[in-house]
Amino acid sequence: GQNIDQPTEMTATEGAIVQINCTYQTSGFNGLFWYQQHAGEAPTFLSYNVLDGLEEKGRFSSFLSRSKGYSYLLLKELQMKDSASYLCAVRPRMDSSYKLIFGSGTRLLVRP
Amino acid sequence: IAGITQAPTSQILAAGRRMTLRCTQDMRHNAMYWYRQDLGLGLRLIHYSNTAGTTGKGEVPDGYSVSRANTDDFPLTLASAVPSQTSVYFCASSDGSNTEAFFGQGTRLTVV
Repeated sequence: GQNIDQPTEMTATEGAIVQINCTYQTSGFNGLFWYQQHAGEAPTFLSYNVLDGLEEKGRFSSFLSRSKGYSYLLLKELQMKDSASYLCAVRPRMDSSYKLIFGSGTRLLVRP
Repeated sequence: IAGITQAPTSQILAAGRRMTLRCTQDMRHNAMYWYRQDLGLGLRLIHYSNTAGTTGKGEVPDGYSVSRANTDDFPLTLASAVPSQTSVYFCASSDGSNTEAFFGQGTRLTVV
């Protein structure tokens, strides 16, 4: 089976740094994705990791450790518009499927 | 504008009725997906398709069917709707195993 865990909610202050963790147990592994979803909107892609290490994209960075089944999304210089849900998703390597399995998401509230 | 389009945007449906949610993409992506999103449960995969002519079951397939007659279209059918199928439904597509999925704007379905 597939199991992806994230904290349900987090709160942070504008201008600060926040780290959102994701742990996973899946049947094989073929990449981990982070998405952002504002209330009432569709998820939008933030980052992709398939090898161990850190991927940086502006204010957002994502880290992966395949041996530990662990990833985090780091958001720097938080802005009010970063208040959203952040979804961790894993693509298991099963029968050449392109399935993408999501965790329940972390709702981030950024306060002034 | 290139992308992925869902219809209808929202729908109220009587229990027991048949309903087809439409999804069309013009990016020539091989893989397509249907998810439902419920509060506290995140995105759950209903069905997916790796390529035209093939489909597969996701995490919560019961009560739903799909078809993939061509690359662009991936309709989701509820044969006999029940209130537990009240949800927001997202269609998505991707171009392979190491690329992100792009999401439609969602269909809000209420079964009464």
